[in-house]
Amino acid sequence: AQSVTQPDIHITVSEGASLELRCNYSYGATPYLFWYVQSPGQGLQLLLKYFSGDTLVQGIKGFEAEFKRSQSSFNLRKPSVHWSDAAEYFCAVGAAAGNKLTFGGGTRVLVKP
Amino acid sequence: SAVISQKPSRDICQRGTSLTIQCQVDSQVTMMFWYRQQPGQSLTLIATANQGSEATYESGFVIDKFPISRPNLTFSTLTVSNLSPEDSSIYLCSVRFSAQGEQYFGPGTRLTVT
Repeated sequence: AQSVTQPDIHITVSEGASLELRCNYSYGATPYLFWYVQSPGQGLQLLLKYFSGDTLVQGIKGFEAEFKRSQSSFNLRKPSVHWSDAAEYFCAVGAAAGNKLTFGGGTRVLVKP
Repeated sequence: SAVISQKPSRDICQRGTSLTIQCQVDSQVTMMFWYRQQPGQSLTLIATANQGSEATYESGFVIDKFPISRPNLTFSTLTVSNLSPEDSSIYLCSVRFSAQGEQYFGPGTRLTVT
């Protein structure tokens, strides 16, 4: 069975500082990996995805993520955080041929001025 | 991507009643899904809405409690039946256009059961 762990429940970062959110997954084959962001009272917005190829993927809003198969990780990064990045971030894993997305528990990001 | 709308955006319902949530997409999609997000929690897949056939439910979710319809390739409904306070959650629909697993989500319906 597939699973996703986001070890950090909350992260506080100063505006302009860098941000890294951790994601570890468990899956028996090559996974499809995603990061979504949920702003307060909103649905989920897809930030980026990894299917295959280059292990460093670029997404929207200046985010990037790196797939490391040896560590079963797919960490999300942003070099300089803006106040509007305050939100909850979810990592998800899906099977190549299946329908189900399994989500991590989420990391809530607070941005200090 | 797609424009996905859900109705209602929020509702307060009494125990024992039912709520039907609509999900409308502005283009035809291959797959539609329904998720539940309990307060302060992550998302859990309820079921896959299959066009023209019965939905496929995940473990722990049953058709009697969460009947789903999908009459065409752009629309689906989820009914949450016999409501209890434990059903208070955000319910989200999502869609997928291709076989590659990328899903797009609607804005969600916030349900409060009193």
